[in-house]
Parts: sequence; structure tokens; C-alpha cells
Amino acid sequence: ELKVEQNPLFLSMQEGKNYTIYCNYSTTSDRLYWYRQDPGKSLESLFVLLSNGAVKQEGRLMASLDTKARLSTLHITAAVHDLSATYFCAVEETSGSRLTFGEGTQLTVNP
Amino acid sequence: EAGVTQSPTHLIKTRGQQATLRCSPISGHTSVYWYQQALGLGLQFLLWYDEGEERNRGNFPPRFSGRQFPNYSSELNVNALELEDSALYLCASSKRQGYGYTFGSGTRLTVV
Repeated sequence: ELKVEQNPLFLSMQEGKNYTIYCNYSTTSDRLYWYRQDPGKSLESLFVLLSNGAVKQEGRLMASLDTKARLSTLHITAAVHDLSATYFCAVEETSGSRLTFGEGTQLTVNP
Repeated sequence: EAGVTQSPTHLIKTRGQQATLRCSPISGHTSVYWYQQALGLGLQFLLWYDEGEERNRGNFPPRFSGRQFPNYSSELNVNALELEDSALYLCASSKRQGYGYTFGSGTRLTVV
């Protein structure tokens, strides 16, 4: 059974600081997704990582994938308050086309 | 392009009743997925429908069922509702495997 673990689960940071969220998964997969969820809202797609070594950047967020280490990272650069949300990584099982989500990282960016 | 639409937005039911949740995928998407997001339990996969067939099922009891219609819309039925079924139910659609998933805004089901 595929397991996906994120850490940290809670992250409080100051504006302007940098930080990284980690996503580890337990079985072979080369498709990983990052989503953002605001309170009471649905999931907003941030990144789709489809191969080993993939790196994608959008604004202050950058995501990478290392399939050999079964690890993805979401790096936040110079955080701003608007980035406060819960971030999920999700791994697509190679058989079955379902997403298995991590527990989510609740990010709070303080002024 | 219209996104994934779900209805109703909110649903309040009494324990033991049945709930029906609906989802319309993005035009051109043939796969529909259902996820449950219950407080403290994270996002859990429920069901996957593609081309009208159930393709995969998560670890949920049989009282969770659904179907996909010829126009690719889908409904999720939850029978004999229990208090712990209270959750946000999210529907997602995709064009085919590995091409990303777009989520709807969800149906918040409250069982009292």
C-alpha cells in the first residue's frame, strides 16, 4: 500500500523567510502533484511533476522530484502572507490511477 | 471553459438517510474521481469512474456507491448515513491517466 508522508505538518514562518516542505512516498511512482487548499475550499493545482529530476517554479514556490529517493520538495522563497494555506502532495499510483495524498502541511505566514 | 461542478454545495442529512452528490466533469474529460476529506482523516480516495465503468475503489464500505452517466457526469450515493460520514466530498476529473486532475469545489455533507 502506497504511503505518503509530509513534514512538517504545521509550519509557522515570518514573511520574507525561506522554507521547504518535504514529501516522502513509499513505492515506485513518477507522477507527483502539489495542491494548495484554503480553509473550506477545494484543491488548487500548483505543480505536476512527471519525471525524475523535474523542477517547476511558479512565483515564490518551487517544486522538485527525486524518484530514486522517493522524495519531493516544495520550496518557499521570501514568504508572503498570501501563501498561508494548507499544501498537499499527492502521488499517483502507477496502477489504478488514483491519488494518494499526504497529510497536508498547514502553512501560516506571519507579518 | 467551465470547471468541475459539484452539487449541492451543502447537504444536511439525518443519520440513516441516503445522500446523493453530483459531479459534472470538465468537457472532454472522461474520468471522474471521488475523494472524502473528513476532519482529522485527510483526503481519502473513494471511487474512480472512466467511460461509464467503475475502475477502482478505495477502502470504503459498500454503502458508498456511485455511477457515471453517458455524458460522463457522476453521482455518489451514500446509504445508511453515519455521523462519521460528515465530510467534504471532492470530485475531480481528468482527460486520461497522468494528465492531471482538476477538482471541483466540493459538497459539504453534514450528518446529524
